Amino acid sequence: QVQLVESGGGSVRPGGSLKLSCAASGFPFNTYFMTWIRQTPGKRLEWIANINPSASSIFYSESVKGRFTISRDNTKNSLFLQMNSLTAEDTAIYYCARDSTVPQDWGQGILVSVSS
Amino acid sequence: SALTQPASLSGSPGESITISCTGATHDFSIHNYVSWYFQPPARAPQLVIYDVSFRPSGVSSRFSGSKSGVTASLTISGLRTEDEGTYFCSSYTDSDTLLFGGGTTLTVL
Repeated sequence: QVQLVESGGGSVRPGGSLKLSCAASGFPFNTYFMTWIRQTPGKRLEWIANINPSASSIFYSESVKGRFTISRDNTKNSLFLQMNSLTAEDTAIYYCARDSTVPQDWGQGILVSVSS
Repeated sequence: SALTQPASLSGSPGESITISCTGATHDFSIHNYVSWYFQPPARAPQLVIYDVSFRPSGVSSRFSGSKSGVTASLTISGLRTEDEGTYFCSSYTDSDTLLFGGGTTLTVL
């Protein structure tokens, strides 16, 4: 069955960086779009970025453009999110999800907390 | 949010309820890229409806979706206590972004 497992979260100071990873299994990773979505402390869901199978097409939300970078390693069935210049507004649970138009499978989520 | 949902709804076991999702963008009204997610307490969201009215494998037929103009709807029939949680609508846009509604908390009394 499809499994998505996020890692790399934690606490960081404002202005700091973190890199999230998502280990995928149970499906042909190199044929699927992948997506990062976050859920704020107020429970609002926010789409962050998506990436096509070859990593040749990438889209970001305006709130993270220029600060976050989505990438993937198809040889390791892994998705990444490099997050720089973090602010308190980036505090959230981060989910990786399979597909882009209809994220149909989600990981369990990983908490990122930004505070001084 | 570009997708508007009621903040909360409640119903009794066995009843039917409908959650609305109103879109403010042009592509929401003309496309069928509307999905619904159910998030149980302390769990990740799970897909229950995609492309307005299709159910993924394994999702109960008690869940149904529809859309008319700028409003999409999720109907849950035969409410059960395990249906309690938060429901989110989402819509994929022409600019390759994904929008989410603010979520509707369903209480089964």
